[in-house]
Amino acid sequence: AQKVTQAQTEISVVEKEDVTLDCVYETRDTTYYLFWYKQPPSGELVFLIRRNSFDEQNEISGRYSWNFQKSTSSFNFTITASQVVDSAVYFCALKTNAGKSTFGDGTTLTVKP
Amino acid sequence: GAGVSQSPSNKVTEKGKDVELRCDPISGHTALYWYRQSLGQGLEFLIYFQGNSAPDKSGLPSDRFSAERTGGSVSTLTIQRTQQEDSAVYLCASSLEGQGWATQYFGPGTRLLVL
Repeated sequence: AQKVTQAQTEISVVEKEDVTLDCVYETRDTTYYLFWYKQPPSGELVFLIRRNSFDEQNEISGRYSWNFQKSTSSFNFTITASQVVDSAVYFCALKTNAGKSTFGDGTTLTVKP
Repeated sequence: GAGVSQSPSNKVTEKGKDVELRCDPISGHTALYWYRQSLGQGLEFLIYFQGNSAPDKSGLPSDRFSAERTGGSVSTLTIQRTQQEDSAVYLCASSLEGQGWATQYFGPGTRLLVL
């Protein structure tokens, strides 16, 4: 069975603070894929990043960075210098070759001005 | 290019009525997925199509739920004899293929309210 845990239900920060969203996953598959999605108040899920299980290289995209560690089964997401527009629900997801994705329950991030 | 589209955007129905939700995937995407998101919750997988066939229907919560896909494109999710607990946002996603590496792109969802 697969499982994705996002232990932080809600996070509130002040603009310009850095914030890290945690994601821990469980799977018996040796090949798998991890994703992060953003769901702003408008409701539509926006794809942010995909990471393969055999590639532990961290990635940075502008103010966003992702830290993938197989040893701890974690795929954490950091927003540097947060902005009000970053306020959203963020979902971590796990996908193997079976087709469907398993999603975490999401972390609601509120960035206050 | 066009993304995934869903219709209707909102649907209010009375308990016991049947509803049909429609999903138009991104052109060329062979895989299509339905998920359900209840208020403040994560995404619950319902069904996955590869082409017109559904290799994984494991998430359908009861036999009141069914889905079909025709022509390898449009999909319809049907809920018969709706119940209040069916109220949720129904999300459709598509991906180039069904394999794990293929990113799923989501539509805006259909908000269903059963009175």
